[in-house]
Amino acid sequence: GDSVTQMEGPVTLSEEAFLTINCTYTATGYPSLFWYVQYPGEGLQLLLKATKADDKGSNKGFEATYRKETTSFHLEKGSVQVSDSAVYFCALSDSGGSNYKLTFGKGTLLTVNP
Amino acid sequence: GAVVSQHPSWVICKSGTSVKIECRSLDFQATTMFWYRQFPKKSLMLMATSNEGSKATYEQGVEKDKFLINHASLTLSTLTVTSAHPEDSSFYICSAFPPSGQGSTDTQYFGPGTRLTVL
Repeated sequence: GDSVTQMEGPVTLSEEAFLTINCTYTATGYPSLFWYVQYPGEGLQLLLKATKADDKGSNKGFEATYRKETTSFHLEKGSVQVSDSAVYFCALSDSGGSNYKLTFGKGTLLTVNP
Repeated sequence: GAVVSQHPSWVICKSGTSVKIECRSLDFQATTMFWYRQFPKKSLMLMATSNEGSKATYEQGVEKDKFLINHASLTLSTLTVTSAHPEDSSFYICSAFPPSGQGSTDTQYFGPGTRLTVL
């Protein structure tokens, strides 16, 4: 079945540091890929997505590129801020169909210190 | 943007009792809602798909008589944990899809979750 493996945390960085959170996936078809973010006390929010190979999703300075050859969707940000402290989840959904079930990774806790 | 709420945000109950968790889409109608369970340091596990006006579809290994789901309206789905036991203690999260024409069908909107502790 489908699966998502992402970097175990926690990750602690200083403000303005470079961030990479690795994510690789296993899927039988051509999935859509997502990064969700969960701020303390809030629900998961879609951060960015990519629906086909070589697509780059970007939002709020974060970006991730859908790499079919390495089955990866690593999240990057050039300069993190304290407000980026949250849990980040990589996820995929089956392509096509009408259910769009999501398969999640375990989540990576990011703490950014001033 | 679309908002999904859950109630309660946390609940403590005694073993053997039943607990109901509500999931509401506040500013859109949702024909499909999902229920997830999250264990500490684990990924979200999809429990079931809730469709308005029809029976829920449960994932393999999820006991449908244990986790009763009712999607009685286009803005409300409920999850009832029946005869709860300590092993049911977990974080339960719902999500909702807006219908086609109201945003991307790839985008699920998530509730903030409900922490259930069974003593």
